[in-house]
Amino acid sequence: QVTLKESGPGILQPSQTLSLTCSFSGFSLNTSSMCVVWIRQPSGKGLEWLAHIWWDDDKRYNPALKSRLTISKDTSSNQVFLKIASVDTADTATYYCARMPYDYYVMDYWGQGTSVTVSS
Amino acid sequence: QIVLTQSPAIMSASLGERVTMTCTASSSVSSSYLHWYQQKPGSSPKLWIYSTSNLASGVPARFSGSGSGTSYSLTISSMEAEDAATYYCHLYHRSPPMTFGGGTKLEIK
Repeated sequence: QVTLKESGPGILQPSQTLSLTCSFSGFSLNTSSMCVVWIRQPSGKGLEWLAHIWWDDDKRYNPALKSRLTISKDTSSNQVFLKIASVDTADTATYYCARMPYDYYVMDYWGQGTSVTVSS
Repeated sequence: QIVLTQSPAIMSASLGERVTMTCTASSSVSSSYLHWYQQKPGSSPKLWIYSTSNLASGVPARFSGSGSGTSYSLTISSMEAEDAATYYCHLYHRSPPMTFGGGTKLEIK
């Protein structure tokens, strides 16, 4: 059974660094052709792709946010991490992680999401 | 950069009505990498249709997807109450590798 679960600070102040963790089970990032994706969604708005990381440590970032994003993984603990530097109120959103196998580049399993509020 | 435009942004349908929503790409894309997700309020998105026309596990047969090139669509043959949701199209492409449409919110009339 594939599951993913996001965790984060809940609330943080502008200019701080947001650290998010995606803990997963039922698959491995040691497996060839596996990937984990981060997506976010401001309340009442659409989905925005942030970054993803492949089993071979290949990393891709949304160009609009690339300078502020860092994605990494710990395959031994089945976790993927995302850091967003210098947050502001526009980063307030629900953050999701999802699994994406290579076959069709489709996100077949999603976490429940973690809500993050940036506020002074 | 390829942009996905979904239309309409909001629509309403009566129970039993046929529903069609579209996703238009700014350039021709591979149908293998064009997908649809369903999202209900308070829940995470769910994979609904992958590679243009393949229903994800558990998706009712009243749903179908089609398209090629720049034009893609999701159709419900007969609207049911449980189909009220927001539907997003998603593309995996070369650069940037991921983009989503703005979503179509489907309501019950």
